[in-house]
Amino acid sequence: DTGVSQDPRHKITKRGQNVTFRCDPISEHNRLYWYRQTLGQGPEFLTYFQNEAQLEKSRLLSDRFSAERPKGSFSTLEIQRTEQGDSAMYLCASSSRDISGNTIYFGEGSWLTVV
Amino acid sequence: AQTVTQSQPEMSVQEAETVTLSCTYDTSESNYYLFWYKQPPSRQMILVIRQEAYKQQNATENRFSVNFQKAAKSFSLKISDSQLGDTAMYFCAFMPQGGSEKLVFGKGMKLTVNP
Repeated sequence: DTGVSQDPRHKITKRGQNVTFRCDPISEHNRLYWYRQTLGQGPEFLTYFQNEAQLEKSRLLSDRFSAERPKGSFSTLEIQRTEQGDSAMYLCASSSRDISGNTIYFGEGSWLTVV
Repeated sequence: AQTVTQSQPEMSVQEAETVTLSCTYDTSESNYYLFWYKQPPSRQMILVIRQEAYKQQNATENRFSVNFQKAAKSFSLKISDSQLGDTAMYFCAFMPQGGSEKLVFGKGMKLTVNP
């Protein structure tokens, strides 16, 4: 098991362009989360999937953001018409509940710079 | 809504010494978990230690231990025998039990271990 993997690790895009990030969770983890982290801040929750169902979305997730998790495996996070304020690190995390509870494991993140 | 406060933005410690990182939180939930995560420079968020709120015994993981004061809503992390590899951002996080069980993070604290 290689942990949570994210691709690309870094992306520089021009304002107004669309970008897509991919996340491959730890195998057999049925829960998947997306967070956003800006410099000097802790991660902020964006959205949550249980299997293929998107069960919760933060108000931070504007209409320009969409996330999917087809077949309950990998997930994508797309940002349309990017703005400079979208520059941040986008973190994916996965977990699976066991008898000791829910522990969330993070990927290395995808850095987005909008110029 | 839950909030997590890390009042010390930055600390430094000499190698082999002991350091304590403070964290307070606010919630009306009765069942929850608390976590400390470590984020080395340009690297992924790593789980350091976890505490279930229903457990009175403080969690320990090798050189890392917590002081959990439920009534005071305080959750501090003690690092013993500090090592250079402990240099990182440290984030305190809260997770309510049930539902999406998403993490709510503090702003983080930068710890530097000096040789």
